[in-house]
This record gives sequence, C-alpha cells and structure tokens, in this order.
Amino acid sequence: GDSVTQMEGPVTLSEEAFLTINCTYTATGYPSLFWYVQYPGEGLQLLLKATKADDKGSNKGFEATYRKETTSFHLEKGSVQVSDSAVYFCALRRGSTLGRLYFGRGTQLTVWP
Amino acid sequence: EAQVTQNPRYLITVTGKKLTVTCSQNMNHEYMSWYRQDPGLGLRQIYYSMNVEVTDKGDVPEGYKVSRKEKRNFPLILESPSPNQTSLYFCASTTGGHNEQFFGPGTRLTVL
Repeated sequence: GDSVTQMEGPVTLSEEAFLTINCTYTATGYPSLFWYVQYPGEGLQLLLKATKADDKGSNKGFEATYRKETTSFHLEKGSVQVSDSAVYFCALRRGSTLGRLYFGRGTQLTVWP
Repeated sequence: EAQVTQNPRYLITVTGKKLTVTCSQNMNHEYMSWYRQDPGLGLRQIYYSMNVEVTDKGDVPEGYKVSRKEKRNFPLILESPSPNQTSLYFCASTTGGHNEQFFGPGTRLTVL
C-alpha cells in the first residue's frame, strides 16, 4: 500500500546550519508529494508541494525535489533560523484516492541561536 | 477568511460517555477528513468524505463514526470513548486534485 517514510528525529541544529530531512515514499502511479509544517500548539500548514517527477517545490527558503527514480522528496534549507523550529511532515496523495493523504511520522526540528 | 474550525478545542471526558467533535469549513470543499496525531506515529487518517453522504474508512476507523449531511460540516462521533482514543484530532478539507489540505486547529481529547 501507499506509505511515507521520513527521517527519525529529533533534529537539533544551530542557527544558519544546513538542513536536510529525508523522505521516501511507496505508491503506485504518480502521487503528489507535500511537506507540511506544524508549529507548537498549531495545526498543520502546507509548506511546499510537487505534483510530478522532477518538479521542485519551494517556499520560505525550503526546497524539495520530486525524484521518481529514487522515490524521494527530501526537504532542504540552506540556513535555518530559530523560527523554523517545528515538526515537519512529508505526505503523499494519489490522484485515484483524492480524499486520502498519507503522512510520515514527522520530524521534530529544534534550532538554537 | 477561509478556514476550518473545530469544537471543542480541548475536552476531558470519561470512558463510555458519548461525544461529538464538530468540524466546519467555509471554502465549499468537497473532500473532508479526520486525523488523529499520536507521538511517534504521526498523523493517521480516521475517516474521509468525498462529498455529502459519501464517506469511507481511513487507516484507523475503529471506535469512530462520521456523517456528512451538509457539505460544510463533518462531525466526528465517539459513541463509547475509551482511554486509547486519547489523542490530538485534526479535521481537514480540500478541493482535491493536487491542492493542499487545509487543517483545523486541532482538538485535544483526554478519555479517563
């Protein structure tokens, strides 16, 4: 079945460090891929998305590229800030199951000044 | 303002006492879903709805019921709550396709 595996946390970085959070997926067909972010005490917000192979999603300095050959959608940011501290979720949705969104387990990121 | 609202935001109850968590969206979205979030498990889908009167089970539907009598509302019903349903619950809606899901603020439920 469809599933998402993402890097176990927690991840702790100093401000301005480089961030990578790994995400791989299993799905039939051509899913859409998403990264959501959850700030403390809040619901999830879409961070970025990619809908087909080789697409790059980007937002707020974060980027992720849809790699079909490696079934991956790794999240990267060149220089993290304290305000990026949050839980990050990778997710997929297949076109044939529009109501279903499959999430990874989430990665807690803490950035220290 | 486009939003998904949930009520209540916090609830403490006892085993076996029926409860309903309401969810409403003002974006005319066809698809709505309920998730529960537990430490180390991420978000797991409980139920989803493709439109009025059309619902289907997600990954963890046991112990829950839903209904979709109006497009904007998608209540989650726990007929006989148990302590293992203590969790953080999120409602979400979307137009489908490649579009994002919009999430409500969450309901923290504790079942004693």
